[in-house]
Amino acid sequence: AQSVTQLGSHVSVSEGALVLLRCNYSSSVPPYLFWYVQYPNQGLQLLLKYTSAATLVKGINGFEAEFKKSETSFHLTKPSAHMSDAAEYFCAVSDSLRAAGNKLTFGGGTRVLVKP
Amino acid sequence: DTGVSQDPRHKITKRGQNVTFRCDPISEHNRLYWYRQTLGQGPEFLTYFQNEAQLEKSRLLSDRFSAERPKGSFSTLEIQRTEQGDSAMYLCASSFRRSSTDTQYFGPGTRLTVL
Repeated sequence: AQSVTQLGSHVSVSEGALVLLRCNYSSSVPPYLFWYVQYPNQGLQLLLKYTSAATLVKGINGFEAEFKKSETSFHLTKPSAHMSDAAEYFCAVSDSLRAAGNKLTFGGGTRVLVKP
Repeated sequence: DTGVSQDPRHKITKRGQNVTFRCDPISEHNRLYWYRQTLGQGPEFLTYFQNEAQLEKSRLLSDRFSAERPKGSFSTLEIQRTEQGDSAMYLCASSFRRSSTDTQYFGPGTRLTVL
């Protein structure tokens, strides 16, 4: 079984400050890891994904994440927050060894508030 | 690429009524997933299709829930005898297995409110 824990259900940052969202996963097999963003009343948009290539993954909108196997972590960062980054962020894990279909297991989400 | 679409976007129904939602995946995608998201939580997997075959169902999918994907194109999710606990956002996602990544692209969701 796989699981994801996102530390902090709410994060408040000032515009221009570093954004750091924490994600720890549990998986008995090599994982694929994802970060999705959700704006109010919308579906999920993929920010970035880790698929066993480079451990530092760059995504859209200036976000990046680093896979650390020893820490079972996949934290999301952005050097400088923008007002448009206010949204909810979800970390997710899937099983890289499944041949047919990769259901995602999501964390509980972190809501980001950006203060001017 | 028009993205994943879902219809309706919002549905309000009374307890005990049946409801049906539709999902149209990205045209070349052969995999389709349904998830449920309750307020303040992350999405939870419900079921998955590869082409027209339903290959996996979660224990969350009680016998009041049924999903179909005739001809491997659009999919419908029906909930019979709705209960207040069914109130949630129902998300559809699709993917195509070009590589082992199987990245899922999500639709805007259908928000169900059961009164």
